[in-house]
Amino acid sequence: AQSVTQLDSQVPVFEEAPVELRCNYSSSVSVYLFWYVQYPNQGLQLLLKYLSGSTLVKGINGFEAEFNKSQTSFHLRKPSVHISDTAEYFCAVRGWGKLQFGAGTQVVVTP
Amino acid sequence: EPEVTQTPSHQVTQMGQEVILRCVPISNHLYFYWYRQILGQKVEFLVSFYNNEISEKSEIFDDQFSVERPDGSNFTLKIRSTKLEDSAMYFCASSPRDMNTEAFFGQGTRLTVV
Repeated sequence: AQSVTQLDSQVPVFEEAPVELRCNYSSSVSVYLFWYVQYPNQGLQLLLKYLSGSTLVKGINGFEAEFNKSQTSFHLRKPSVHISDTAEYFCAVRGWGKLQFGAGTQVVVTP
Repeated sequence: EPEVTQTPSHQVTQMGQEVILRCVPISNHLYFYWYRQILGQKVEFLVSFYNNEISEKSEIFDDQFSVERPDGSNFTLKIRSTKLEDSAMYFCASSPRDMNTEAFFGQGTRLTVV
């Protein structure tokens, strides 16, 4: 079984500032890790994924995440946020079968 | 680009009524899922479906829920007798494999039970 913990329920950030969203997971098997974004009143869009290979993965909209196996983490970062990055961000883990989502982190970008 | 489509986008129903939420997964995908998101809460797994049968379900997926792939393209979620607490956004997803790839999500159906 897998589980995902997103350590911050809400992250306020100023425009053009960096942001980091924390995600830790636990699993008894090898996992695949994902970050999804949900803009207000919309569905889930894949930001990036780690399946294998390089532990630093780059996604859409300037986001990147680093897989750290020893710390069982997959933190999401963006060096400079825009107002349009205001959204809910979900970390998800997959072993065999279903995706398991974290509780989400609400990012609010203000000018 | 292929996408998962869900209909309707919004459904309002009276408590106790049956509802069917419809999804058309990506055509060459083999694994199908339903998830639920109650307003302001996390995305919760309901059920996964493969080879015309349920492969996994959560404790939320009780006897009031059923899934079906009636015609090889649609994938439906039926709630037999809706309750107020069934009000949520329901997401359908599909995947070509059951591991080492992402699931592709539809835009969701917002179900409001009154």
